[in-house]
Amino acid sequence: EAGVAQSPRYKIIEKRQSVAFWCNPISGHATLYWYQQILGQGPKLLIQFQNNGVVDDSQLPKDRFSAERLKGVDSTLKIQPAKLEDSAVYLCASSLLGTGNTEAFFGQGTRLTVV
Amino acid sequence: SQQGEEDPQALSIQEGENATMNCSYKTSINNLQWYRQNSGRGLVHLILIRSNEREKHSGRLRVTLDTSKKSSSLLITASRAADTASYFCAPYNQGGKLIFGQGTELSVKP
Repeated sequence: EAGVAQSPRYKIIEKRQSVAFWCNPISGHATLYWYQQILGQGPKLLIQFQNNGVVDDSQLPKDRFSAERLKGVDSTLKIQPAKLEDSAVYLCASSLLGTGNTEAFFGQGTRLTVV
Repeated sequence: SQQGEEDPQALSIQEGENATMNCSYKTSINNLQWYRQNSGRGLVHLILIRSNEREKHSGRLRVTLDTSKKSSSLLITASRAADTASYFCAPYNQGGKLIFGQGTELSVKP
């Protein structure tokens, strides 16, 4: 079974530039999550999708972050414009059923450095 | 808050020793999950314990759950250097989200 795929693995951009991350969840997984993990901290939930609908985006900085999940499959997370404090690892995860009822599978993450 | 809080923040032991990590939470839960994260990698699911379960085993892992105290513990027996990682708990309640705390950083020295 293929895992959660994320790209790119690494990205370095200058502040005020834009960046996009892509996630391909495990086939058939209805729930998709995006997390931001700053060095030394736990993952912070940014947004959670159920199929192509948003379940929760209360922690997503909507003035600069946006996310979409087209056709309930792949998802993209965009930052525009980036700030220095956005430097972090962005993790995508998916699960088969509703949140917490089954295990979540994580991708390797995208490490973003904003300079 | 649904978030779990892991304790201790850091733990250093010798190979072969047992490691115990604790998780406390504030809301009622349907289940609680434990995850491991190796440096620079994504999280890996270790074990899920439901609210009507008190103890669960998986290999060298033993998880207990005390819903009256709103706490859980993860025991790793006969630890190995490869167990060096950060460990996170994620309490889940119906309609909730998968939220992680700051984790316990475990270091197992050969």
